[in-house]
Amino acid sequence: DAKTTQPPSMDCAEGRAANLPCNHSTISGNEYVYWYRQIHSQGPQYIIHGLKNNETNEMASLIITEDRKSSTLILPHATLRDTAVYYCIVRKRDTGNQFYFGTGTSLTVIP
Amino acid sequence: GAVVSQHPSWVICKSGTSVKIECRSLDFQATTMFWYRQFPKQSLMLMATSNEGSKATYEQGVEKDKFLINHASLTLSTLTVTSAHPEDSSFYICSARDSAGISSYNEQFFGPGTRLTVL
Repeated sequence: DAKTTQPPSMDCAEGRAANLPCNHSTISGNEYVYWYRQIHSQGPQYIIHGLKNNETNEMASLIITEDRKSSTLILPHATLRDTAVYYCIVRKRDTGNQFYFGTGTSLTVIP
Repeated sequence: GAVVSQHPSWVICKSGTSVKIECRSLDFQATTMFWYRQFPKQSLMLMATSNEGSKATYEQGVEKDKFLINHASLTLSTLTVTSAHPEDSSFYICSARDSAGISSYNEQFFGPGTRLTVL
């Protein structure tokens, strides 16, 4: 699976959009980009995933560059409950493949 | 969404004892489950892949005789930390893959984790 690079930490004002970047320059054609988050002392929570098109759901939007070498997770209106570690993971979508977590980005939403 | 539970949520034990952690998929069948370990302020580290009815596959550097995994049914996998020592104190998290592929967006669901403290 391709490796990912994320900034170790970010701050965001409550109510503003949080933009979390992820670099995955070695991604291959059949690898998806997944985003999970982990609130302190809890299990990871799925947020969104995509292959090459931008994706949006009730939680967030995922913007993937045309060359697929980087992506951005957007939380449109961050709340204090969005304070968590956000993990960007690249993996094949074939069932059975493991998730390997990187170091993630610790997002702090500030009142 | 699909729910994965873990029991216990936390456990404290004496050094040298064994501790069993259960991971259950509550509303779906899971052919494959995964076990992770997380030390404070670190990321999740995959320990092993648990396959129903067969032996687990361990990641490099993980002692299979110390971390016994049993996946006897499609809804239950157990991790037993044998002869636990203080350095085994960690947050253990499981995830389960939806065998039927009902989920159209996510193949794996994570449990809430188990905090193990070895005195």
